[in-house]
Amino acid sequence: DSGVTQTPKHLITATGQRVTLRCSPRSGDLSVYWYQQSLDQGLQFLIQYYNGEERAKGNILERFSAQQFPDLHSELNLSSLELGDSALYFCASSVSGTSEYYNEQFFGPGTRLTVL
Amino acid sequence: TQLLEQSPQFLSIQEGENLTVYCNSSSVFSSLQWYRQEPGEGPVLLVTVVTGGEVKKLKRLTFQFGDARKDSSLHITAAQPGDTGLYLCAGGRGSTLGRLYFGRGTQLTVWP
Repeated sequence: DSGVTQTPKHLITATGQRVTLRCSPRSGDLSVYWYQQSLDQGLQFLIQYYNGEERAKGNILERFSAQQFPDLHSELNLSSLELGDSALYFCASSVSGTSEYYNEQFFGPGTRLTVL
Repeated sequence: TQLLEQSPQFLSIQEGENLTVYCNSSSVFSSLQWYRQEPGEGPVLLVTVVTGGEVKKLKRLTFQFGDARKDSSLHITAAQPGDTGLYLCAGGRGSTLGRLYFGRGTQLTVWP
């Protein structure tokens, strides 16, 4: 158990809908990262938050957005869903937000999103 | 384009065999992590290497960071079925504020 929790575990929805994925980082971790993993693309970095502020952006679509709240939990919002958005979505957390120290990330169990 | 290239992509071996997985880049990294992922679960951190030339051993697993900090390898001795999984390398760069760059992974299957 990494200490990172994600809900829900599974999500099935229809095209055009909007969903929210939730992540609680390990106790004491300030940074939260969101990743998308599909069979053909591997693990793709979406976005990072550090202590409530957006820190780095990866291949995140405009239809997707995220935020980190004062209690440090984070939510990833996916809207106007398409079939191709079906994937595993992982949240990870780490203590530091920079690579000045080595950045060890601890992953949650993921949310499997299926868009029908 | 992947910043980190892993090879081989797939590896299928018999129990007891040795194997090496490679993680290569043309870029320098401040740190290199190896993760193992099982189907439907999140990646689990195995090791972090931060010094060029560093070698770390974790039971039957040996991890090496290249002298120039551009590449790494994972060697497994006497593989067991329990080693089956997706092995991912990930590099950190000081200029990018904490994000890790992941390779596509090596899917290892060890048959009894």
